[in-house]
Amino acid sequence: SQTIHQWPATLVQPVGSPLSLECTVEGTSNPNLYWYRQAAGRGLQLLFYSVGIGQISSEVPQNLSASRPQDRQFILSSKKLLLSDSGFYLCAWGTRGNNSPLHFGNGTRLTVT
Amino acid sequence: QQPVQSPQAVILREGEDAVINCSSSKALYSVHWYRQKHGEAPVFLMILLKGGEQKGHDKISASFNEKKQQSSLYLTASQLSYSGTYFCGTVFRGSGGYNKLIFGAGTRLAVHP
Repeated sequence: SQTIHQWPATLVQPVGSPLSLECTVEGTSNPNLYWYRQAAGRGLQLLFYSVGIGQISSEVPQNLSASRPQDRQFILSSKKLLLSDSGFYLCAWGTRGNNSPLHFGNGTRLTVT
Repeated sequence: QQPVQSPQAVILREGEDAVINCSSSKALYSVHWYRQKHGEAPVFLMILLKGGEQKGHDKISASFNEKKQQSSLYLTASQLSYSGTYFCGTVFRGSGGYNKLIFGAGTRLAVHP
């Protein structure tokens, strides 16, 4: 069966520090991968999505970036965090095709201080 | 592009019914529904792919009106476990030519004894 792992679960980082969040999927090949962010009490904002290794589409221009170095690995990064980067970061995967349900990881709660 | 959900919040007593609506200004090809418990990741409920399609499991069902570009989620005889935030998601063509799932702002549902 397919599983998705996301870590760390919680993170507290000072303003200006770098960030690296990792997500890996097991039990499937060639998944579509997504990063969403959820501010406190708000909706799910799509940040990046990827349909293959090295193929990243960005939805929101900001100080975040994403990379997909391997088929089932998706990394979210920042060189310098801002206070506004605080939130709940969710990685998700889906199979190829227009109407695949998304399966979410347990998320990383990031607090920038 | 973001679909519009209404109402923003609903408070119910156990056993009462609720309807959550999701509409889009653009043509809808499919609609996803997810539920998120507080502090957890969203969980997939169902996808509706065709206009006029209706689906359901337990006492949660949904309909899709392609002409009106809207979908509705019906919660019948609500249970305490139904509490959470419900999101609808619609698929749009991304800048890279691939499909992406964009979520509405969510509807908070609280069921009380």
